[in-house]
Amino acid sequence: SQTIHQWPATLVQPVGSPLSLECTVEGTSNPNLYWYRQAAGRGLQLLFYSVGIGQISSEVPQNLSASRPQDRQFILSSKKLLLSDSGFYLCAWSAPDSYEQYFGPGTRLTVT
Amino acid sequence: DAKTTQPPSMDCAEGRAANLPCNHSTISGNEYVYWYRQIHSQGPQYIIHGLKNNETNEMASLIITEDRKSSTLILPHATLRDTAVYYCIVRALTGGFKTIFGAGTRLFVKA
Repeated sequence: SQTIHQWPATLVQPVGSPLSLECTVEGTSNPNLYWYRQAAGRGLQLLFYSVGIGQISSEVPQNLSASRPQDRQFILSSKKLLLSDSGFYLCAWSAPDSYEQYFGPGTRLTVT
Repeated sequence: DAKTTQPPSMDCAEGRAANLPCNHSTISGNEYVYWYRQIHSQGPQYIIHGLKNNETNEMASLIITEDRKSSTLILPHATLRDTAVYYCIVRALTGGFKTIFGAGTRLFVKA
C-alpha cells in the first residue's frame, strides 16, 4: 500500500532562517506531488505541484521554492523565512492520471 | 472549475445520518464532484467522488441530483470521530492538477 511521509512534524524557526521540509511517498511510481499551506483557521492554499522529476509548477509567487530531486521525493524550501510563512504545511500525492489526492500528516511551522 | 457553496457548519447527533449538502449550479458536463474531510490538525482525507451516478464506499454515500447542480454527502451513522471540516470540490479531469479547496462545512457530531 502507499504511504506518504513528512518531517518534521513541528518546527519553530526564527525570521530570516532557511527552511527545508521533506516529503516522500512509498508504494507508487511517478506520482503527482503537491505542497499546500494552511494558515490558522483558514483553507488550504496550493503552493506547488509536480508531475515528474524536475518539473515544478508554482501557484503562488513568494519566497518559497520546491524541488523534486527523485521520483518520490518533494522538498519545500526557503532561503529566508518571514513571519507570514507560519502555518500547517501539507504534502499530498495522486496517481499519474488521478485527481484523488492523499495527504501526509503535515508540518506545523511557527516562525518567530 | 465550477464554484461550490457549502453551509459553514452543521450539527449531527451521534449514530444518526449526517447529510452534508453542496451546491454547484455552474458545473460542466465533464466535471466530477469530490469530497474530502479534514480532522483537526491532520491532513485532508479523500472520501469519495462521482460524475452523475450515486456512489457508495465504506466511508460514505454521494448522491448527485439529476441536473447535477447539487450533491449530498451522507455519513450513514455518524460517530464523534467524524467531527471534521468537509470539503466539496468540483473539477474536470483536464486543465491541470490544481484542486481548489474552499472553506468547507464544519461538522460537529454530538453525543
